[in-house]
Amino acid sequence: DQQVKQNSPSLSVQEGRISILNCDYTNSMFDYFLWYKKYPAEGPTFLISISSIKDKNEDGRFTVFLNKSAKHLSLHIVPSQPGDSAVYFCAADDGGTASKLTFGTGTRLQVTL
Amino acid sequence: EAGVTQFPSHSVIEKGQTVTLRCDPISGHDNLYWYRRVMGKEIKFLLHFVKESKQDESGMPNNRFLAERTGGTYSTLKVQPAELEDSGVYFCASSRRGAPYEQYFGPGTRLTVT
Repeated sequence: DQQVKQNSPSLSVQEGRISILNCDYTNSMFDYFLWYKKYPAEGPTFLISISSIKDKNEDGRFTVFLNKSAKHLSLHIVPSQPGDSAVYFCAADDGGTASKLTFGTGTRLQVTL
Repeated sequence: EAGVTQFPSHSVIEKGQTVTLRCDPISGHDNLYWYRRVMGKEIKFLLHFVKESKQDESGMPNNRFLAERTGGTYSTLKVQPAELEDSGVYFCASSRRGAPYEQYFGPGTRLTVT
C-alpha cells in the first residue's frame, strides 16, 4: 500500500508561471514532510520541508502548504524557471527514531520557454 | 564539503551473481540510509545505520541483502545471489545526528540484473 501518493506523473508549466505539485498521504502518524528534487543521473536533493505543526513554509520561490485534515500537501514554485525542470518527490516521516522517509512516485515538471 | 559518493555508478550482472555496492557518507554524518527505486516507482527505504549499528532494517527485501557499515564510516550493500527483481537504482543518504530529516543523497548505483 502506498502511503504517499503523487497522482500526477507529469506537469508542464510555462516559464514565469506558477507550478503546483500535489501530494496526498494516508498515514496519520506522519508528522514531517519534505520535497526533494531530482535531476537525471543524480540523487534527490532536499528542497523544502514542513512540520505538521505548521501549515505553510516558504523559502524563496518555493512554498509548501500542508492541510492535515485533508492529508494533503502541495509545493508551489513561483515564478517557474527552466532550471526547475526535474522530478519532484514528496516524502514523509512518522517521527520515529529511524527517520526513514516514505516517498511518493514523483512528478516530472517541465518548465517551457 | 564532499557529498555522498556511491560506487559503482552502474553495475550489470547476471542472475545468481553477487554484487557489492559501496557508499561513502558525508564526513561526520552518523546516520546512513539505503533506499531503492525500482522501475520508476517510489523510492523505498531499505535500512538505517546510526554509526556502525543497524537502527532499522525493516525495508530489506529478504536475506539475500546484507548491509554493513564498517567503523561507522562507509557502508556496503551486498546482494547475493542477485535476482531479476533486484534491478533498480540504489541510493545512499546520510544525515547529521541532530538533523535526521535532512538527508543528503548520493547519485545512486544503477543495478541491472540480466
